[in-house]
Amino acid sequence: EVQLLESGGGLVQPGGSLRLSCAASGFTFSSYAMSWVRQAPGRGLEWVSTIAGSGGATYYADSVKGRFTISRDSSLYLQMTSLRAEDTAVYYCAKDTSFGDFGLFDSWGQGTLVTVSS
Amino acid sequence: EMVLTQSPGALSLSPGDRATLSCRASQNFYSRYLAWYQQKPGQAPRLLIYGASNRATGIPDRFSGSGSGTDFILTISRLEPEDFAVYYCQRYGSSPTFTFGGGTKVEIK
Repeated sequence: EVQLLESGGGLVQPGGSLRLSCAASGFTFSSYAMSWVRQAPGRGLEWVSTIAGSGGATYYADSVKGRFTISRDSSLYLQMTSLRAEDTAVYYCAKDTSFGDFGLFDSWGQGTLVTVSS
Repeated sequence: EMVLTQSPGALSLSPGDRATLSCRASQNFYSRYLAWYQQKPGQAPRLLIYGASNRATGIPDRFSGSGSGTDFILTISRLEPEDFAVYYCQRYGSSPTFTFGGGTKVEIK
């Protein structure tokens, strides 16, 4: 069974930094692209970033480009810097399907809440 | 930049009713790359439909997807109590930005 467990969320001041982690199990982690998707309180889903299985290709939403960095080893990470109030959201880790098309997510974690506030 | 507009924003229906949800894209794109997700309160999203019309593993056949070009539809043939949730369409695949629509809430009338 695929399991994805996010950690690292919390309260951070505007301009601060935070690193999210996602521990994965139940599948061959290195074979799948992985992504972060966020959801602001009471709002819809927003794709944030994707990294290829090899780690060789990374993609970012314009809203986070230059501020967030996705990476992976045996886990998935999201390094967030220069945080803004509008980055407040639940951040989900999501696994791509085996179909080979980036950005189609068949498994999700339960999310970790990031709150940016002074 | 691709924008996906979902309508209506909310739908009030009764169990047993048919639900028809719309997703309109601001640009024409290959229907292979259109997905639908369901999200219940306090839960992560769940993949329902990919490639505009293919049900994901374990999804009941009362859920169906259709459409091409810029207009896509998710149909729930007969609403079960567990189907009341928020539904999102999403563009994935060829472009390295994976846009979600704003969602349609299906609520109990």
